This record gives sequence, structure tokens and C-alpha cells, in this order.
Amino acid sequence: DTAVSQTPKYLVTQMGNDKSIKCEQNLGHDTMYWYKQDSKKFLKIMFSYNNKELIINETVPNRFSPKSPDKAHLNLHINSLELGDSAVYFCASSFPGRNYEQYFGPGTRLTVT
Amino acid sequence: KNQVEQSPQSLIILEGKNCTLQCNYTVSPFSNLRWYKQDTGRGPVSLTIMTFSENTKSNGRYTATLDADTKQSSLHITASQLSDSASYICVVSPLVSSNTGKLIFGQGTTLQVKP
Repeated sequence: DTAVSQTPKYLVTQMGNDKSIKCEQNLGHDTMYWYKQDSKKFLKIMFSYNNKELIINETVPNRFSPKSPDKAHLNLHINSLELGDSAVYFCASSFPGRNYEQYFGPGTRLTVT
Repeated sequence: KNQVEQSPQSLIILEGKNCTLQCNYTVSPFSNLRWYKQDTGRGPVSLTIMTFSENTKSNGRYTATLDADTKQSSLHITASQLSDSASYICVVSPLVSSNTGKLIFGQGTTLQVKP
């Protein structure tokens, strides 16, 4: 299947832990994104990489660190997890540029207790 | 105040009926306006993308309109089906974001279609 995939789908962890979410796309896209969807359902961009180069870095705590080993993968590592980090995190990909459709992964629901 | 506001926040309609969802935005200038459908527990899926010069775009039973003068868009769903139950999100791509692909999302309208 051609798609954007994320693992894990659910992640429950305690405050202070470090966790990673992985994302892979096989659509041949050059650009990948991480979004956070909070309890009010707003989707907000966190990071974007184009061909392994960081191009969007919104005001996100530096406990969040994206890593792109190649243009098909964009992982998100979160250090010292806090209660407020609980949300659904979506990975997306697209061709570069403002008029291209973004394809979203299924999301990772992170719950910090 | 959010740059993309949607109304109503939620809507319940009977199967087979039509409905219209509204989006007002303040993002200016903008490159394009999109409507996404997000099923519960899934990622958003694109329905339509309209550039600033387009007035309407259809995708099956979904028709989006855009009035760049009044900064309003609407999504009309015809002959609703149970599978249309989802959140519909209006999304604007600011021109200033140029080639980064940055998007600004509305909060979404939750539509429930009842049999």
C-alpha cells in the first residue's frame, strides 16, 4: 500500500520519560511534516523537512527533536515528557511547494500520565 | 482570534439531506484554501484545493466555494450518507509561507449524519 505510516498508534507513558514516534512514506515525496492535534482538535505544524533539511521549526519546546535519516522517514523524539504533551501527533508528506496536497498518516495518540 | 474560523462547530443532519459548512479566514494574502475530511481516529484526507483565483471546486458530492473578496469559503455536501459523519476542516496556505508548505487549520465542523 502506498501511504504514510506511523508507529506506534498508541503510546502511554509516564511523565519524565523519553519516547520516539516513527514515520515513513512511500509516496516519493520530498517534504515531510509533524503536526500536533490538541484536545480542541486544532492541528498545528511543528516541524517540516524537505529532503532531510529542516525548513519549518515552529515555537516548539526543544524537548522535541525531529530527525530525518532520509527523505522517506521523519521521526520525532520527545525528551522529559510532560502532561501537556498528551495529544495526537500526525505525520504528513507532500511534494515541495504550497499547492501540493499533503497526505497524512493515521496519527499517534500520546498519553502522558 | 484564530485566523481560520469555522461554523457551525457541530451539525446533525438526516441521511439524504444536504448541508453547508462555513469558513471565514483572515489569512491574507493566501495561496490556496483546502477542505479536509477527518474520520474519527484517522488522519485528515484532502477533499478540495482551490487557489485564490478559483471560485468553486467539486469532488463528487462535495462542492467547495471561495469568495476571496469576503474571505469566505463554504463546503456543500449533497445527498448526505452515513459515511459523511466526520470532522471537516478548512485550511489556508499563506502566501508568505511560500514554498514551505505551511498550512493554517480551522477547528473543524463535526458532522453527524443520522439514518
